[in-house]
Amino acid sequence: DTAVSQTPKYLVTQMGNDKSIKCEQNLGHDTMYWYKQDSKKFLKIMFSYNNKELIINETVPNRFSPKSPDKAHLNLHINSLELGDSAVYFCASRTGTYAEAFFGQGTRLTVV
Amino acid sequence: AQTVTQSQPEMSVQEAETVTLSCTYDTSESDYYLFWYKQPPSRQMILVIRQEAYKQQNATENRFSVNFQKAAKSFSLKISDSQLGDAAMYFCAYRTWAGANNLFFGTGTRLTVIP
Repeated sequence: DTAVSQTPKYLVTQMGNDKSIKCEQNLGHDTMYWYKQDSKKFLKIMFSYNNKELIINETVPNRFSPKSPDKAHLNLHINSLELGDSAVYFCASRTGTYAEAFFGQGTRLTVV
Repeated sequence: AQTVTQSQPEMSVQEAETVTLSCTYDTSESDYYLFWYKQPPSRQMILVIRQEAYKQQNATENRFSVNFQKAAKSFSLKISDSQLGDAAMYFCAYRTWAGANNLFFGTGTRLTVIP
């Protein structure tokens, strides 16, 4: 059973569209994250969400918005997609009893 | 702000040989975690090994071990008896001790294993 799952794995869309990426974890973790991996493989935090507290990386455009309906889910919604949004987006989760974060398999977003 | 530096964009190793990947970091904190993650072509991020800063003993996981030098802020990964399946991007990462804190990643090292 997948611990952290993201859907879809691949997403191709046109500029200007709005899209969402879903993330679910079945580990009972209390903290979830979204990371962006650019074309040079650099991983950068976008958001972290813990006990209804959202911490936003200030460099993330406000076109990106995380939504957490419950502790097990943290979805990423993107408005008005731009070419530069093309990247791999990773969801991850962690709990206080573990130091490490567990990652989903990533979603490759391509904006054309 | 914490920064993590991996100065080797690419490394190669002969199968069955040993290779060491370098990582340095910058922090003013005394308690933190360090990690090595592996990202194979499948894209999945896989934890290889972790080190708590308060532990003097270097972490070991089978063929993987680290050389943690706290004063020098250095955290290198040694892979012994390299296997073809070790070929991947390797990322060094840092996290502070407490709270919902994020991982700060280095830029990665691409490891090629030569048969």
